[in-house]
This record gives sequence, structure tokens and C-alpha cells, in this order.
Amino acid sequence: EVHLLESGGGMVQPGRSLRLSCAASGFTFNSHAVTWVRQAPGKGLEWVSVISASGGDTFYADSVRGRFTISRDNSRNTVYLQMNSLRTEDTALYYCAKDRDYFDSWGQGTLVTVSS
Amino acid sequence: DIQMTQSPSSLSASVGDRVTITCQASQDITNYLNWYQQKPGKAPKLLIYDAFNLETGVPSRFSGSGSGTDFTFTISSLQPEDIATYYCQQYDDFPRTFGPGTKVDIK
Repeated sequence: EVHLLESGGGMVQPGRSLRLSCAASGFTFNSHAVTWVRQAPGKGLEWVSVISASGGDTFYADSVRGRFTISRDNSRNTVYLQMNSLRTEDTALYYCAKDRDYFDSWGQGTLVTVSS
Repeated sequence: DIQMTQSPSSLSASVGDRVTITCQASQDITNYLNWYQQKPGKAPKLLIYDAFNLETGVPSRFSGSGSGTDFTFTISSLQPEDIATYYCQQYDDFPRTFGPGTKVDIK
């Protein structure tokens, strides 16, 4: 069974950094891209970033490009999202998902709150 | 960026009703369109991929159609457990983009 578990969320002040992790199991991790999607409180879904299976290709939403960095460690079956220069508008529940161009398995999310 | 719109933004229907949601892309995305269901407090769930393919294990009352810029998602007979928000999402180009969602309620 595919399982994705996000961690690393919390409350942080504007301008500070946070690193999220997405630990995966139940599938051949190094054969699949992984995506991050976020959802601000009471709002819709916003795609954030994706990393290819090898880690060689990454893409970002305009709203986070230059501040967020996605990476992966295939030996640990884990994807990371390094979030720098956080803003209040980054407050959201962050999900990771297995990406086959469609997101067929999702974690339960980790909450990031950016507030002074 | 490819903009996705959905209509209606919300709807209320009776159990057994046929429910239809439309999704429009700002440019041709061929059939690179997925549909998700999100129940309150839960992670989204993939229902339809590539515009019309039913994800494994998803009830057959859910279906999708369309190509190019105009897509339709249908629940053939609404059930109480279908109360959720439904999102379309394109993968023709980066950044991937979601529609704003359609909230479905029971009348």
C-alpha cells in the first residue's frame, strides 16, 4: 500500500525558514516524481513544486520560485521542501503526492503557519 | 500560466440526482485534465485522470469527458458520501494549475 507522510510543519515568523519532509513507502520511490500541493485555510488547492524521479528536473509555482527548493534522497525514500523567506501568505496545509502527471496518492499534510 | 475555471462554484442536489460540473482551460490542453474529490478535513483523492479514465476503485457513477478547453465531470446518481469539493487540474504545462473547486451538497 502506498503511504506518504509529511512532517516538519509548524509556526514560524515571517522571513524565517522551514524544511518539510515527505517520507514515502509502498512503491518504487526512485521511479516516480513527487509533487507538493498546498491549501491555505478555507481555500482551494495550489500546486507548489515537483521533482522528477531522478531529482534532475524541478519546477516551481511563480509564487514560491526563488524562495523554495525541492530535493529528494532516493536512498531514504524522502522528498524535501526547503522554504526560505517565508511570508504570511505561505500559511497553508502542505501535501505531498505521488506524481504520474496525475496525483494518485496523497499524504495527510503538514500545517505551516507563518505569523509574527 | 494556464488558468482553470469551474462552474458552478457550489451546488445543492438531491440523492439520486445527476450532477454535472464543468471545467474550462484558458488554452488547449488536449486531454491532460484530472479530477479530484476532497472531503472536509481530508486529503484530495484522484477520481478521473486524462479527462475520462476512472481511477481504480472509484465508483462507476463518476465520469469525465471533454478535450481541448472544455471538460465535464458527472456524478450519475448523487450519494450522501459524495458530499465534497471537486477540483479539476491540468498537466499540459507547468505550473500545474487547479480549478477553484465546486462544493457539492445534499439538498
